[in-house]
Parts: sequence; C-alpha cells; structure tokens
Amino acid sequence: DAGVIQSPRHEVTEMGQEVTLRCKPISGHNSLFWYRQTMMRGLELLIYFNNNVPIDDSGMPEDRFSAKMPNASFSTLKIQPSEPRDSAVYFCASSRGLAGELGETQYFGPGTRLLVL
Amino acid sequence: AQSVTQPDIHITVSEGASLELRCNYSYGATPYLFWYVQSPGQGLQLLLKYFSGDTLVQGIKGFEAEFKRSQSSFNLRKPSVHWSDAAEYFCAVIGGATNKLIFGTGTLLAVQP
Repeated sequence: DAGVIQSPRHEVTEMGQEVTLRCKPISGHNSLFWYRQTMMRGLELLIYFNNNVPIDDSGMPEDRFSAKMPNASFSTLKIQPSEPRDSAVYFCASSRGLAGELGETQYFGPGTRLLVL
Repeated sequence: AQSVTQPDIHITVSEGASLELRCNYSYGATPYLFWYVQSPGQGLQLLLKYFSGDTLVQGIKGFEAEFKRSQSSFNLRKPSVHWSDAAEYFCAVIGGATNKLIFGTGTLLAVQP
C-alpha cells in the first residue's frame, strides 16, 4: 500500500491567497483526519471525517478554514484567505474506523509544509 | 477532558545507553495510548499502542512501553539506543468513543556518539 498521500509537500504563498491542501487516504480506511503542527501549539486536530461525513470540526481555527471529503479517496483542506500565522505543517491521517470501537491506528501522511509570507 | 503530559522537552543520551521517555495522561477510564516517532521533515510513525491486556507492550525498532494505571503513565523504553533513534517522540491518548488523538508536546531525543 502506498500509505497516506499528501500534496503538495511544500507550499509557499502570499498573504491573502487561497491555499488548497490535498489528501488521499489509505484504501479501505473510512476515517480521515487533518492535523496542524506548529512550534507554539504542537500537534492539534483540526477536523475528522468518518465515511466522508465531518464528525468533529471543533479544532478548525476559524471560518477561513474549510475541509471537504467528496469521496472515500480524497479530501481537501482549504484556507481562504491565508495569513502568515497559518504557516505550519499540515498532516493528514487515516484509519479503518473509530478507535473507541475498533482500536484502529491512525496512519499519517508526510505532511504539507505551508509558508505564508 | 483527556490530556497528555510529556515532562521532558529534550533528552540527550549516548549511543548504546538505555532510554526512558516519560508520558502521563489524564483520563477517567482506561485510555487508548500510543507512541509515535517523527524524524526530521517526516510524518509520524506509530511505534506501539496499548488498548488492553498485558501492560507491557512491544513495538517496532526495539521499543517497549509499560502502562501503569496507578501512576497514569505510559513510559517508552529502549535498552540500547542507536544513532538512528534521534527524532521527536510523541505520546498520545484516545479516550471515549471518539477517534480524537490528543498529543503531548513531544520529547526531542538527541543521541551522542
């Protein structure tokens, strides 16, 4: 299996521009997670989906952030407009189910390093 | 609410020495506990996990961790550290019926030759 695939791996943009991050989960996994990693806040969960439906988006910082999962093999995280404080590494992860039920492990992608100038 | 504390921000050990990374969690019931490793510029890789049963869990790369309910701890150990173990290590917890991983702040491990 190819693992979780994220694109782009690096993104440099200017403040005010729209940024779209993409994720392809592991085939057969039905839960998908978006995390953000910064020096100040560490690793924090932004949103997660189960069977393509958003379950918990309480970690999404503000309305500038949105996430979609149109099908089981693709998800996007969009920032519009972007700001310098959005600079971080964004990770996507997937698992086979809810850990509370099945104890499934989350598998992480390599991350997208975003720099907003 | 669940939380995880990793009291050591940075640890340096000599190659071949033993290693113990500390992790304390806060959760009322038995949690699901994980240790992940992150090499520079890479994503997170699962080392091991505890859900139930034997409190001593074996993982990949020669790592093990012991769940101690009385101390609310899940410390990671390795008897002999290799230079390639230099990385950042994250302890994480899932509690309840949700799949939200709550991460600690991480411990950065440096290995001296």
